[in-house]
Amino acid sequence: DTGVSQDPRHKITKRGQNVTFRCDPISEHNRLYWYRQTLGQGPEFLTYFQNEAQLEKSRLLSDRFSAERPKGSFSTLEIQRTEQGDSAMYLCASSLQGDEQYFGPGTRLTVT
Amino acid sequence: GENVEQHPSTLSVQEGDSAVIKCTYSDSASNYFPWYKQELGKRPQLIIDIRSNVGEKKDQRIAVTLNKTAKHFSLHITETQPEDSAVYFCAAQYNAGNMLTFGGGTRLMVKP
Repeated sequence: DTGVSQDPRHKITKRGQNVTFRCDPISEHNRLYWYRQTLGQGPEFLTYFQNEAQLEKSRLLSDRFSAERPKGSFSTLEIQRTEQGDSAMYLCASSLQGDEQYFGPGTRLTVT
Repeated sequence: GENVEQHPSTLSVQEGDSAVIKCTYSDSASNYFPWYKQELGKRPQLIIDIRSNVGEKKDQRIAVTLNKTAKHFSLHITETQPEDSAVYFCAAQYNAGNMLTFGGGTRLMVKP
C-alpha cells in the first residue's frame, strides 16, 4: 500500500496521560499536514510541514500539542496531559508541492 | 481567515436522480477547491477539484462549478447510485500547498 498510513488506528487513554501518533506520508511527498475531525464535522487544520520545517500552526494547537517531522519523512503528533475534549479523529495528509492532499485512515483518540 | 459554508447538511435523493451540493467561501484569495468523499469509518478521498482559473470541470458522473465573483462552488452528481451515499466535504485553499479549510459536510443518501 503506497498511500498515507497512520499508527495506531485507535487509542484509548485516561485523562492526563500523554499520547503520540505517527504518520507516514506517500513516498516523496514533501508536505505533510495534521487535521482533527470530530463527529459530524469537517476536518480542522492543526499544522503542516514542508520537509522537516513546520510552516504553520493553527490556534487550535495548544501548548499541549507538539508535532515533529525530524527527517522530512514520517511525522509524530504528541498530546500531553490529554483532556476529554481532545477526543477526536486525528488525520494526516500529504502532498507533493502542490494542491492535492491525500489523507491517511486517521487515528481515533478516546480520552476517558 | 478563510470560512467555508456548505449546504445542505443532509440530502436524500432517489437512485438515478441528480444531487447538488453548494459551498461558499469568504477569502477572495482562495484559488483551489477540492471535494472529498468520506464513507463511514474511512479516510476522506479526493474525488474532484477545481482551480480558480477554470469555471467548470467534469469527471464522468461528477462535475464541479466555480463562480469566483460570487465566491461559491458546487458539486454535481448525476445518475446517483447507492454507492454514492457518503459524507461529502468541500474545501478551499488560498495558496498551493497550504492548509485546507473545510465546509461542515453534506450527508448524501441515495435510496435504491
